[in-house]
Amino acid sequence: GDSVTQMEGPVTLSEEAFLTINCTYTATGYPSLFWYVQYPGEGLQLLLKATKADDKGSNKGFEATYRKETTSFHLEKGSVQVSDSAVYFCALRSTNQAGTALIFGKGTTLSVSS
Amino acid sequence: GAVVSQHPSWVICKSGTSVKIECRSLDFQATTMFWYRQFPKQSLMLMATSNEGSKATYEQGVEKDKFLINHASLTLSTLTVTSAHPEDSSFYICSAKPIGTIPNEQFFGPGTRLTVL
Repeated sequence: GDSVTQMEGPVTLSEEAFLTINCTYTATGYPSLFWYVQYPGEGLQLLLKATKADDKGSNKGFEATYRKETTSFHLEKGSVQVSDSAVYFCALRSTNQAGTALIFGKGTTLSVSS
Repeated sequence: GAVVSQHPSWVICKSGTSVKIECRSLDFQATTMFWYRQFPKQSLMLMATSNEGSKATYEQGVEKDKFLINHASLTLSTLTVTSAHPEDSSFYICSAKPIGTIPNEQFFGPGTRLTVL
């Protein structure tokens, strides 16, 4: 079945460092890909998404490019801030199953210190 | 816009009792809501898909008689954990898919932490 694998955390960085969180997927067809963020004590929020190959999702300085050839959707940010400390989830949904739920990776905890 | 609330946000109960968790879409209508369960440092696992006016669809391994889902209106779905046991302690999260939006839109509630003593 479909699955998402993301790098184990926690990831600990200093402010203004470059961030990469790896995410790879296994799916039939052409899934839509997402990154969600969960701040302490809050619910999941959609960070960015991409619906087809070579699409780049971006938001709040974060970017991820849908790479079909490597089945990847790595999250990057050029300069992290303390406020970026959160848990980041990579997720997918098969595009031939509209309305179905998302399949999530295990999440990666990011901790940014000043 | 597109806010989903859950109530309660935190509940502690004794083993053997039942607990009801509400999921509400506050500013939109949703024919479909999803219930997830999240263990510490683990991913969200889909438990069931709740459809307004019809029976929920449960994922393999989820006991439908233990986790009762009712989606009685376009803005409310409830999850009742019946005869709760300590192993049911977890973080329960719902999400809602607004009517008429593209398939990719789905909004999450803040979660409910259940602790069974």
